[in-house]
Amino acid sequence: KQEVTQIPAALSVPEGENLVLNCSFTDSAIYNLQWFRQDPGKGLTSLLLIQSSQREQTSGRLNASLDKSSGRSTLYIAASQPGDSATYLCAVKDSSNTGKLIFGQGTTLQVKP
Amino acid sequence: ETGVTQSPTHLIKTRGQQVTLRCSSQSGHNTVSWYQQALGQGPQFIFQYYREEENGRGNFPPRFSGLQFPNYSSELNVNALELDDSALYLCASSRDRAEQYFGPGTRLTVT
Repeated sequence: KQEVTQIPAALSVPEGENLVLNCSFTDSAIYNLQWFRQDPGKGLTSLLLIQSSQREQTSGRLNASLDKSSGRSTLYIAASQPGDSATYLCAVKDSSNTGKLIFGQGTTLQVKP
Repeated sequence: ETGVTQSPTHLIKTRGQQVTLRCSSQSGHNTVSWYQQALGQGPQFIFQYYREEENGRGNFPPRFSGLQFPNYSSELNVNALELDDSALYLCASSRDRAEQYFGPGTRLTVT
């Protein structure tokens, strides 16, 4: 059974700092991995999607990497800003017929001005 | 904005009642997946509808049911509500079970 874990559960950093969020999964047979942002009480905003054959994806100040063999992904945020404060969720899409997403518990990030 | 809409945005129900949540999928999408997100947790997969048929189900009891209409919008029904059903319910639409686009969610509170 696929399990997704995110560490740390919460993180507080000063503005301008570069930071890394971690995601690990137990079964390497994934279709893709996706990072989402969630503001309090809101839905999910997709940030980056990495196909199983890819190693990384970049969008602006965000860079996500994927190492399937070790079951790990990282989300790197450069030059953090207070507007980056949110919960970040990673999810793996399994290779079943449904392609359901299996989520980690999330990392809640606070960027202090 | 993904083009996926959900209604209502928030509702309060009493234990034992029944509730229906609605989701309109993005134009061109034929698949809807439902997720439950308890406070402080990641979303959990409830079930998926593809071309009006249930296409997979997570570890949820039968009192969670749903359907998908010919226009690919969907409903989630929960009978005999329990306190633990209090959560944010998210729907996601996709085309042929590809990348999923999430709606804003419905916050359900059971008292």
